[in-house]
Amino acid sequence: EAQVTQNPRYLITVTGKKLTVTCSQNMNHEYMSWYRQDPGLGLRQIYYSMNVEVTDKGDVPEGYKVSRKEKRNFPLILESPSPNQTSLYFCASSSSYNEQFFGPGTRLTVL
Amino acid sequence: SQELEQSPQSLIVQEGKNLTINCTSSKTLYGLYWYKQKYGEGLIFLMMLQKGGEEKSHEKITAKLDEKKQQSSLHITASQPSHAGIYLCGADGSTYKYIFGTGTRLKVLA
Repeated sequence: EAQVTQNPRYLITVTGKKLTVTCSQNMNHEYMSWYRQDPGLGLRQIYYSMNVEVTDKGDVPEGYKVSRKEKRNFPLILESPSPNQTSLYFCASSSSYNEQFFGPGTRLTVL
Repeated sequence: SQELEQSPQSLIVQEGKNLTINCTSSKTLYGLYWYKQKYGEGLIFLMMLQKGGEEKSHEKITAKLDEKKQQSSLHITASQPSHAGIYLCGADGSTYKYIFGTGTRLKVLA
C-alpha cells in the first residue's frame, strides 16, 4: 500500500531534550516536506527536500533540522525543543508538481 | 509572499444542502490543490486545478479555478455527514515551496 508513515504519532517531552520525528514513504517520490499545523495559522511549511542530499527552508525553519540521506526517509530533528514548538506535524511526499501524500501526523507537546 | 485566504472559516449546514468554499490567492495560481482533513488526522487529496477556467468533479464535489487564476471554489452538492471535516486549499507558492489556506471547518447536521 502506497503510504507515508510517521513515528511517533504522539510525543510529550520537556524543553531542551533532543528529539527526532521519522518520516518514510514507499512511493519513490523525489519531493518530501515537513509542515506544522497550528490553530488559526493553518499549515506552514518547515523544510522541504527536492531529492537526496538536497534540502531547503520553508516558511518556519527556526529550531528545526532535517536530512535526506535516502530517498525514502526525511527525519525532522528538534535539537532543543521549546514550548512554542508544541504543534501537530505532518510529513508529505510527491512526485514533481503533483499532489502531495500526507502522513497521519505527529502530535508533539513540549513542556 | 503569496497568501491564500479561505472563506468562510467555518460552516454548518443541514444534510442535503449545497455549499461553496472559496480560496482567494494574492498572486496568480499555477497549481491549486484541494485537500480534506478529518480533525487531527492527515490530509487527503481531492483535486488539482492548473488551467484558468478548469473545472473538475469527483462524486458530489466540484472544484473550479477562475479564468484569472486567482480564485478557486469548491462546491458540494447535497451534503452528507461524511463530508464533514476541514477543507484546505494549497498552492505552489514558488518553486518547490507550498502554501496553504487556513482551512474551512464544515459540519453537516443529520
